[in-house]
Amino acid sequence: DAGVTQSPTHLIKTRGQQVTLRCSPKSGHDTVSWYQQALGQGPQFIFQYYEEEERQRGNFPDRFSGHQFPNYSSELNVNALLLGDSALYLCASSFLSGRANEQFFGPGTRLTVL
Amino acid sequence: RKEVEQDPGPFNVPEGATVAFNCTYSNSASQSFFWYRQDCRKEPKLLMSVYSSGNEDGRFTAQLNRASQYISLLIRDSKLSDSATYLCVVPSGNDYKLSFGAGTTVTVRA
Repeated sequence: DAGVTQSPTHLIKTRGQQVTLRCSPKSGHDTVSWYQQALGQGPQFIFQYYEEEERQRGNFPDRFSGHQFPNYSSELNVNALLLGDSALYLCASSFLSGRANEQFFGPGTRLTVL
Repeated sequence: RKEVEQDPGPFNVPEGATVAFNCTYSNSASQSFFWYRQDCRKEPKLLMSVYSSGNEDGRFTAQLNRASQYISLLIRDSKLSDSATYLCVVPSGNDYKLSFGAGTTVTVRA
């Protein structure tokens, strides 16, 4: 049973560029959440997708956008990259009807903005 | 006030010792709580879920105090492999969003 997968594992970009990160949820899961984890901090909620719609959003600017596909996979897009966007981006999947919010995380994409 | 606050540590303990640390949360309506473990530069992994007053799984015990709005995690008979950062997690916002503490670092030494 494949767990949550993310790609790429590492990415280096320069300020002002745009980036797309990808996530495939655990088999049987229909909900995908994205988190940003800066060094030394806990993950911060960016947004959650269910039924191809953004269900809830954290305190992140509109430069952060996402999408969920019919097969439940998801993308996170970040435009106009800033140095402060350097972080580990984590995708988590869950099943809507499962125990409240037991989310399973992928290995993350480490983004460095120069 | 932050939604979730944790003892940052670090806790440096010898093998076989017992270590315990706390987490406080601000949302009194929260019904479920989680402890995740995160190894260096890896993803968080679910360690334990807490839906009532507490939960025990082997050497790990979580206790919930709703009146004081804190959750504790106790590790008995510490192993070297228990060295990690432990993240306290509280659902919020209609239970869709997980709020994480900054983590408590535990190092178990031989």
